[in-house]
Amino acid sequence: EAGVAQSPRYKIIEKRQSVAFWCNPISGHATLYWYQQILGQGPKLLIQFQNNGVVDDSQLPKDRFSAERLKGVDSTLKIQPAKLEDSAVYLCASSLGGGSSYEQYFGPGTRLTVT
Amino acid sequence: DQQVKQNSPSLSVQEGRISILNCDYTNSMFDYFLWYKKYPAEGPTFLISISSIKDKNEDGRFTVFLNKSAKHLSLHIVPSQPGDSAVYFCAASPLNAGNMLTFGGGTRLMVKP
Repeated sequence: EAGVAQSPRYKIIEKRQSVAFWCNPISGHATLYWYQQILGQGPKLLIQFQNNGVVDDSQLPKDRFSAERLKGVDSTLKIQPAKLEDSAVYLCASSLGGGSSYEQYFGPGTRLTVT
Repeated sequence: DQQVKQNSPSLSVQEGRISILNCDYTNSMFDYFLWYKKYPAEGPTFLISISSIKDKNEDGRFTVFLNKSAKHLSLHIVPSQPGDSAVYFCAASPLNAGNMLTFGGGTRLMVKP
């Protein structure tokens, strides 16, 4: 079974530029998550999708971050414009369902450096 | 406001001995707790979980203990192996809130041969 795919793996941009990350979840997984992991900290949930609808985006900085999952499969997370404090690893995860008993499977992440 | 805390950023143990990783939480609404393991340049992988109706869950070399009154959980690895060297994250999820995990800051475990 193929795992969660993410691209790119690494990205370096200057502040005020835009960047987009792509995630393809495990086939058949209805729930998709984006996390931000700042160096030395645990992952922080940014947004959760159930199929193509948003379940929770309370921790997404909506003035600069946006995410979509148009066909209920793959997803894109965008930052526009980027700030220095956005430097982090962005992790995508997926699960079969949205209940707490469903294991979340994580992708390898995209490491973003904002200079 | 850190709702899930792992107060030890690192832990070093000898191969064959017990590793004990600790986690404290403040939100009394948390009722499902998980441990994830992370190797460099990889995403976290699920290790073991426990529901608040239990106080212990065991899976091979890994055992998680939950003390609800103290809002504390721990992960025991016995015996520890060099391949267990990784960063371990504790995570928690509240009742009826879907699968929204709150993670601790992680503990780096080093198992010396």
